[in-house]
Amino acid sequence: GQQLNQSPQSMFIQEGEDVSMNCTSSSIFNTWLWYKQEPGEGPVLLIALYKAGELTSNGRLTAQFGITRKDSFLNISASIPSDVGIYFCAGVTGNQFYFGTGTSLTVIP
Amino acid sequence: DAGVIQSPRHEVTEMGQEVTLRCKPISGHNSLFWYRQTMMRGLELLIYFNNNVPIDDSGMPEDRFSAKMPNASFSTLKIQPSEPRDSAVYFCASSPTTGFYGYTFGSGTRLTVV
Repeated sequence: GQQLNQSPQSMFIQEGEDVSMNCTSSSIFNTWLWYKQEPGEGPVLLIALYKAGELTSNGRLTAQFGITRKDSFLNISASIPSDVGIYFCAGVTGNQFYFGTGTSLTVIP
Repeated sequence: DAGVIQSPRHEVTEMGQEVTLRCKPISGHNSLFWYRQTMMRGLELLIYFNNNVPIDDSGMPEDRFSAKMPNASFSTLKIQPSEPRDSAVYFCASSPTTGFYGYTFGSGTRLTVV
């Protein structure tokens, strides 16, 4: 199946710092999605990106659909403790979602 | 709306036993998905249904796994016989016809096979 690699695998940051993470694939996708998963819960959609080069914000979150359509980026500004969780990217082709390996974020107050 | 409801939240069973996981999708959603999440393999799609019909079950690991959707408000994922390597968190998700913001995951069932 499709392989989506996320980096970094984990991050430990101070509250107030900005966060950047990315997702790369060997395949082209028509849609990129970013999810957040908190302990004991299912992933929750944060942002959806529909075309190459698109930059979309949702509060302190900003995500970009890479020009090559093989990557995507997520930035979180001014992190707060409740940003803790695992962030997943997903590339979508048709009805198929291919999830990345996840980036675990820990915010130190 | 109560969201996607999965039961049980936790299941511990002995190897060889049959396990049945249940899912109630969001009312009005016509697609339902079963995923498995493990540390080693991440989130894997097992099977998905559209209008209660299985569309793609290529992710089902082997014949021990089966899934049904007898009506629009209920689906089951069954493992028979279960093995320790089936231990994982199993998620159900449902979505409407269009748009990704409606694609909603349940809280998952954590399965431990000993």
